[in-house]
Parts: sequence; structure tokens; C-alpha cells
Amino acid sequence: EAGVAQSPRYKIIEKRQSVAFWCNPISGHATLYWYQQILGQGPKLLIQFQNNGVVDDSQLPKDRFSAERLKGVDSTLKIQPAKLEDSAVYLCASSPLARNEQFFGPGTRLTVL
Amino acid sequence: AQSVAQPEDQVNVAEGNPLTVKCTYSVSGNPYLFWYVQYPNRGLQFLLKYITGDNLVKGSYGFEAEFNKSQTSFHLKKPSALVSDSALYFCAVRDRDDKIIFGKGTRLHILP
Repeated sequence: EAGVAQSPRYKIIEKRQSVAFWCNPISGHATLYWYQQILGQGPKLLIQFQNNGVVDDSQLPKDRFSAERLKGVDSTLKIQPAKLEDSAVYLCASSPLARNEQFFGPGTRLTVL
Repeated sequence: AQSVAQPEDQVNVAEGNPLTVKCTYSVSGNPYLFWYVQYPNRGLQFLLKYITGDNLVKGSYGFEAEFNKSQTSFHLKKPSALVSDSALYFCAVRDRDDKIIFGKGTRLHILP
């Protein structure tokens, strides 16, 4: 079974630039999550999708971050414009249902200069 | 408010000794509790979970965890540590509204 795929693996941008991350969850998984993991901290949930719909985006900085999940499968997370404090690893995870364990992708390491 | 605490930033254990990584939580309703492990330069991997039933849960790689409702704890344990167990461990809790929160992590060092 293929795992959660993410791209790119690494991205370096300057502040005020835009960036987008892509995630392809495990086939059949209805729930998809985006997390931000700053060095030395635990993952912080940014947004949770159930199929196409948003379940929780309470910690998503909506003035600069946006996310969508097309047709209940792939998802993109965008930052526009980026700030220095956005430097982190962005993790995508999926699960069959919201109450199951999550399967994580390898993450995208973002560096904002 | 929902919260998860991992009180130790780092735990050092000699190889072959038992290990414990602590986790306490605060959540409304009955919790769903999880442990994940993160090896260097790799994504998080699921270890075990407690949903309901027996308080002692067994998971991957010989790990187990004990749910203690009165102490609101879910400590991760292993009877005999291996050097390969050295990694970053995260406790996570999901509440009745399906909101999930992760602890800050505990770095486990197994000394040869």
C-alpha cells in the first residue's frame, strides 16, 4: 500500500514570497490533516478535512494560509505571503476515519529567509 | 481546554532496562489517546492507541501504554529498551469533537 506522498521535500523562499505544498493521501482515506511542526515542538494542527469539507481550521492563520482538498483526494496548502516565523516542517497525514490513527507523509521542510 | 503534557524533554535509559515516557492529558469526555514515534529524518509513525476497553494497550516494536483515568495519564512503556528505540516520542489526544492535539515530544536516548 502506498503511503502519504508530499512534495516538494524542501523549499527555500524569501519572506513575502508565496509557496504551495501538495499532499496525496492514502487511497480511500476520508480524513486529511495538515500540521506545522516547528523545530523542537510537537505538530500543530492547521486544518483537518473530512472528504471535501473542513472539520477544523481554528489554528490556521487565514490571513496568509489557505488550503483546499479537491474532489476529496489531493490537497494543497498555500502560504501567501510567507513570514520568517513560517519556517517549519509541514506535515500531511491521512486516516480512514477521524478517530483512527493517522498515517504521516515525510513532510516538507520550509525555510523562509 | 484540551491539553497534553509530556513533562520530560529527554529521557535517558540504559539498554536492557525498562523505559517509561510520561504523558498526561486534559480533555472533555472520554479521550482517544495515541503514541507516535519520529525517527531522525523520517515522518511520524503510529505506535499504539487507546479507544476503549483494557487499560493496558500493546503496540508496535514491543511498546505498551497504560491508560489511567483517575490520574489522566497514558504513559508509554517497554520492558527492555533497545538502542534502536532512540527517537522522539509524541503523545496525542482526541476529544469528543474529534479535535486532536499533540504533546511537545520527549526525546528518548537509549545508552549502549
